[in-house]
Amino acid sequence: EVQLVQSGADMKKPGESLRISCKASGYTFTNYWITWVRQMPGKGLEWMGRIDPSDSYTNYSPSFQGHVTISVDKSITTAYLQWSSLKASDTATYYCARHGVEVAGVPSVWFDPWGQGTLVTVSS
Amino acid sequence: QSALTQPASVSGSPGQSITISCSGTNSDIGIYNSVSWYQQHPAQAPQLIIYDVSHRPSGVSNRFSGSKSGNTASLTISGLQAEDEADYYCISYTNTGTLEVFGTGTKVTVL
Repeated sequence: EVQLVQSGADMKKPGESLRISCKASGYTFTNYWITWVRQMPGKGLEWMGRIDPSDSYTNYSPSFQGHVTISVDKSITTAYLQWSSLKASDTATYYCARHGVEVAGVPSVWFDPWGQGTLVTVSS
Repeated sequence: QSALTQPASVSGSPGQSITISCSGTNSDIGIYNSVSWYQQHPAQAPQLIIYDVSHRPSGVSNRFSGSKSGNTASLTISGLQAEDEADYYCISYTNTGTLEVFGTGTKVTVL
């Protein structure tokens, strides 16, 4: 069974750093990208960025570029999303998902499966 | 790039068909078939229901179907059931700097 399991909920103070994880299993980790999606409380889905686990090449949405870092550790089939300095506005649920790869030079934008989500709360 | 535009809410009675639109531009939906749809029930992770405009993953009910015309993609739910009450999101690849952009989301209510 293809599965993504995320780390548990976390509560931090503004300015603190954080790394959340996404453990993949049931498929060849380097054959698909991993994407991260934010959902703020009561709001819609926002695409943050994606990573190719085979070479760690990343793309970010301009809305998140410079504020988060996406990385992977192939040896343990795990992807990460990290912040060096959290803000209260980072309070949200963050999802990882397996991302389709390129077809004829165009990324195939589908996400399946999704992790269960990680709730990050940033409050003083 | 702004989010793709979806109606905030759509409703229908059990057994009816409803259609959710996802309006983009000629930088995304208009020129790429890389559109997918997701269903999200409250407090749950989203689930893929349509990919590449009109393809259904294994295990997804054939009551869900997708299509595209010009700059607009559409999701149709036929034979509406109570379990279809959820939020629905589209997403497309875009050749702008944003790369991938979600729709604004649509809440489906079964009357």
